Amino acid sequence: NAGVTQTPKFQVLKTGQSMTLQCAQDMNHEYMSWYRQDPGMGLRLIHYSVGAGITDQGEVPNGYNVSRSTTEDFPLRLLSAAPSQTSVYFCASSPDTGELFFGEGSRLTVL
Amino acid sequence: AQKVTQAQTEISVVEKEDVTLDCVYETRDTTYYLFWYKQPPSGELVFLIRRNSFDEQNEISGRYSWNFQKSTSSFNFTITASQVVDSAVYFCALSDTSFRDNYGQNFVFGPGTRLSVLP
Repeated sequence: NAGVTQTPKFQVLKTGQSMTLQCAQDMNHEYMSWYRQDPGMGLRLIHYSVGAGITDQGEVPNGYNVSRSTTEDFPLRLLSAAPSQTSVYFCASSPDTGELFFGEGSRLTVL
Repeated sequence: AQKVTQAQTEISVVEKEDVTLDCVYETRDTTYYLFWYKQPPSGELVFLIRRNSFDEQNEISGRYSWNFQKSTSSFNFTITASQVVDSAVYFCALSDTSFRDNYGQNFVFGPGTRLSVLP
């Protein structure tokens, strides 16, 4: 009964480093998305996907890349980490009925 | 534009008290969905309920109940006989039914209400 699985849960990077946050879901949902949560800013959408091979930008896409080669996986890549990307990241998947099911979150610190 | 307002930033109650979390939304759509999510101190986001705009029936699930009033654009959440484990940040959210086409643009979260239940 895994649902949405995110890894790693914690990561510390230095400015300029790159990394990938992994996200996998086993609910056969077509829709997946990445959000970041910052104090006072709420949840903001980074990128989303409406199916394998299809991705699009959300509200705050700069500095991030995504791909969706399979229905199950939706990794988020930080190309060159910046302190402004220090945040908690949530991956979510969604059935046609619209509710988001979130992973446990990944806390990223960029020094 | 869609908007969700949760005017209560923080609420503190004593265990066993009832508490209502307010949610007011704005949308021009006639068909939409409303949601509540819970974020406990451990940090995960837990889906609680989805409500279709055509269904104004109130819903009860154990100690939780939801009051949807289209006339006032509100979707309030009541916890009866609160418990310490109810301490969390609660988010109200709104999406329209065209989310399949505009998925990224039309799922809007409120700022959240932090509920502290004291023993």
